[in-house]
Amino acid sequence: DTAVSQTPKYLVTQMGNDKSIKCEQNLGHDTMYWYKQDSKKFLKIMFSYNNKELIINETVPNRFSPKSPDKAHLNLHINSLELGDSAVYFCASSQGSAVNIQYFGAGTRLSVL
Amino acid sequence: GESVGLHLPTLSVQEGDNSIINCAYSNSASDYFIWYKQESGKGPQFIIDIRSNMDKRQGQRVTVLLNKTVKHLSLQIAATQPGDSAVYFCAERYNQFYFGTGTSLTVIP
Repeated sequence: DTAVSQTPKYLVTQMGNDKSIKCEQNLGHDTMYWYKQDSKKFLKIMFSYNNKELIINETVPNRFSPKSPDKAHLNLHINSLELGDSAVYFCASSQGSAVNIQYFGAGTRLSVL
Repeated sequence: GESVGLHLPTLSVQEGDNSIINCAYSNSASDYFIWYKQESGKGPQFIIDIRSNMDKRQGQRVTVLLNKTVKHLSLQIAATQPGDSAVYFCAERYNQFYFGTGTSLTVIP
């Protein structure tokens, strides 16, 4: 069974559209994250939730809105997609409230045309 | 924000040789460090970690060295194999994790 699973794996869409990426973890972890990886492989944290509560919110356009219906899920909704949003988005999870070893999903490659 | 830099963006080694991947971190107050391996089309995968009160930690074929004086971290891979080909990231923890840009390791058979 996949520990951290994201869907979809690939997402191709037009500028201006709204899209969502879903993430689920079956590790029983308390904390989940969203990262953005650019074309140069640079990984930057976007958000972190602990037990459904937002604990890290980096400087991210408010077009990006995370939602955590329960501690096993953290979805990412993006409004009014722009060309610069094209990247690979990774979901991750870790145990406990302190930032610990993170287990990553396989990523969602978003291409905005 | 914080940044973690790597000295070499790409590294090619012969199969069987040892590999050394270097990382310069930025915050002297960082208390915990992790090396991740990212294979093509996959997410980063934990390899080894080290706390700031240590200067060396060994795993299976991998060793991490920490030099807090110069804020330097290295990952040594012994007897590099083709399956080690990947992008390697170091990450430092200061409230949250900050990742470096990665080093792409290519193992030549």
